[in-house]
Amino acid sequence: NAGVTQTPKFRVLKTGQSMTLLCAQDMNHEYMYWYRQDPGMGLRLIHYSVGEGTTAKGEVPDGYNVSRLKKQNFLLGLESAAPSQTSVYFCASSYSLDLPAFFGPGTRLTVL
Amino acid sequence: KQEVTQIPAALSVPEGENLVLNCSFTDSAIYNLQWFRQDPGKGLTSLLLIQSSQREQTSGRLNASLDKSSGRSTLYIAASQPGDSATYLCAVTGNTPLVFGKGTRLSVIA
Repeated sequence: NAGVTQTPKFRVLKTGQSMTLLCAQDMNHEYMYWYRQDPGMGLRLIHYSVGEGTTAKGEVPDGYNVSRLKKQNFLLGLESAAPSQTSVYFCASSYSLDLPAFFGPGTRLTVL
Repeated sequence: KQEVTQIPAALSVPEGENLVLNCSFTDSAIYNLQWFRQDPGKGLTSLLLIQSSQREQTSGRLNASLDKSSGRSTLYIAASQPGDSATYLCAVTGNTPLVFGKGTRLSVIA
């Protein structure tokens, strides 16, 4: 089992460019999450999904969109990247809210 | 809104010491509390999960306790080793996904 994987590991964008981050899990988890981690701010929830075809906003959703077309995949999109979106992005998954969450290795994104 | 606080923000101890990391949360209506470890430039590794009905969990040299009514948890590390150096994160889940504290950066000096 690969657990939770994230693609790409690193990316540099110019302001205004778009990109999609891919998260995949092979544990048949219903719940999937996207967090961003910034120095001094900790991890903050961007969006999450409670099952295939569902999405919900987290604490910092502005500037991001998500899709969960397949149970095993959760995509995070940046339509027009801004320097404030420079961060490390983590994906996670779990069976439910009351069971352990497992995290991917992260994607380090720099927006110039 | 749930808020999670971790004290201290950083801690440096000599090898072999026993130590305690603290976590507090403002809303006691939680499902569980999870402790994670994060090495520099790496992802998060789950260490222990305590369900809201439990008081403590143990794994090797680690022991985590939970006092839900007072909104507090502690992570006890026995006989610390240089390999324990990392950032330790506390997070709680209630009717919303994991809310994280900002972590405690631990350095164990040989």
